[in-house]
Amino acid sequence: GQNIDQPTEMTATEGAIVQINCTYQTSGFNGLFWYQQHAGEAPTFLSYNVLDGLEEKGRFSSFLSRSKGYSYLLLKELQMKDSASYLCAAYSGAGSYQLTFGKGTKLSVIP
Amino acid sequence: GAGVSQSPSNKVTEKGKDVELRCDPISGHTALYWYRQRLGQGLEFLIYFQGNSAPDKSGLPSDRFSAERTGESVSTLTIQRTQQEDSAVYLCASSLGSSAGELFFGEGSRLTVL
Repeated sequence: GQNIDQPTEMTATEGAIVQINCTYQTSGFNGLFWYQQHAGEAPTFLSYNVLDGLEEKGRFSSFLSRSKGYSYLLLKELQMKDSASYLCAAYSGAGSYQLTFGKGTKLSVIP
Repeated sequence: GAGVSQSPSNKVTEKGKDVELRCDPISGHTALYWYRQRLGQGLEFLIYFQGNSAPDKSGLPSDRFSAERTGESVSTLTIQRTQQEDSAVYLCASSLGSSAGELFFGEGSRLTVL
């Protein structure tokens, strides 16, 4: 089956750095996504990791370790607008690119 | 438009009625997904279409749920004899091809079953 775990909620201070962890157990693995979802809005793409290592994109970075079934999203120089849910999602399932999402981590950025 | 379009944006219905939700994917996107998101919950996979291949229906919660897609165009998700637990936002997403790639989401259809 597919199981994706991430913390339910996190709080961080404006200007700080926060790391949101995600562990996954899937039958077959083809890559891992991070999406951002503001309340009442559609999820928007942040990053996609296929290979081990860190991918940096501006203030956001994403890390993947396939051997450990582990990923994290790193947000630097936090801004109030970063308050949102962050969804970890893994491609799984042989022959079918079913994207399985975690329940999301609700990040609150405080002044 | 350039993005994924869903309709209706909001639907209120009575328990036991049938509802139909529509998704227009981005032109040229061969893959189309339906997800359900209950209040405060994560995205729950429902069904996946890829070109003319048989859809992956493994996420449909019951036989009251069905979906169709003609070729690489519009998809409709039908829920028969709606129940209160069907209340959720139904999100549609599309992507370019069968290999893993970025999903583009629509704004969703919010379904409320009274």
